[in-house]
Amino acid sequence: GAVVSQHPSWVICKSGTSVKIECRSLDFQATTMFWYRQFPKQSLMLMATSNEGSKATYEQGVEKDKFLINHASLTLSTLTVTSAHPEDSSFYICSAAPAMGTLFSNQPQHFGDGTRLSIL
Amino acid sequence: KQEVTQIPAALSVPEGENLVLNCSFTDSAIYNLQWFRQDPGKGLTSLLLIQSSQREQTSGRLNASLDKSSGRSTLYIAASQPGDSATYLCAVQQGAQKLVFGQGTRLTINP
Repeated sequence: GAVVSQHPSWVICKSGTSVKIECRSLDFQATTMFWYRQFPKQSLMLMATSNEGSKATYEQGVEKDKFLINHASLTLSTLTVTSAHPEDSSFYICSAAPAMGTLFSNQPQHFGDGTRLSIL
Repeated sequence: KQEVTQIPAALSVPEGENLVLNCSFTDSAIYNLQWFRQDPGKGLTSLLLIQSSQREQTSGRLNASLDKSSGRSTLYIAASQPGDSATYLCAVQQGAQKLVFGQGTRLTINP
């Protein structure tokens, strides 16, 4: 089945550091990938939609200068948390759906295993 | 703004019981509804996807129903097993593949 790989799975770093998280679709092409954030015992909240070859679309309240998204190929999107602070500590999850020629595809999204980010 | 609510927030039952998880959503203009499973510290595994034109989907011991007009979905798990213990999330898809998630039901199956 379709697989989405996310790396790293866990990262601990000092406040002020920038952290890059990668999301790869291993056996399908994805023109669109999604980045979610999940705080403990809460649901997933969509942060941004990553579009291959163009700028990401951010949800209301998400700082685009703090959460930099790059989607340079059909199989890779990256999320960089710039100058991370303790309040950015969270579980970040990406997802992707096979490109079907339309944004309104009913194909299920496939999720990565997530990245636990801890900022000291 | 779409809001998705899941009840109960947590559920603990003995092994072998049948159980029902509930999901409700406020805006019936959806493309589909998905049920996911999330194990602690892990990502999401898709269990069932129901298109907006469908009323139910089945996979093994799982059955999901959708009543779009009333904004409700249920996930029925038959003959529960300890390995079914996880958090179950429902999500509705609106435009451009965006998913709106409920807060999940944390399920514990006791041996």
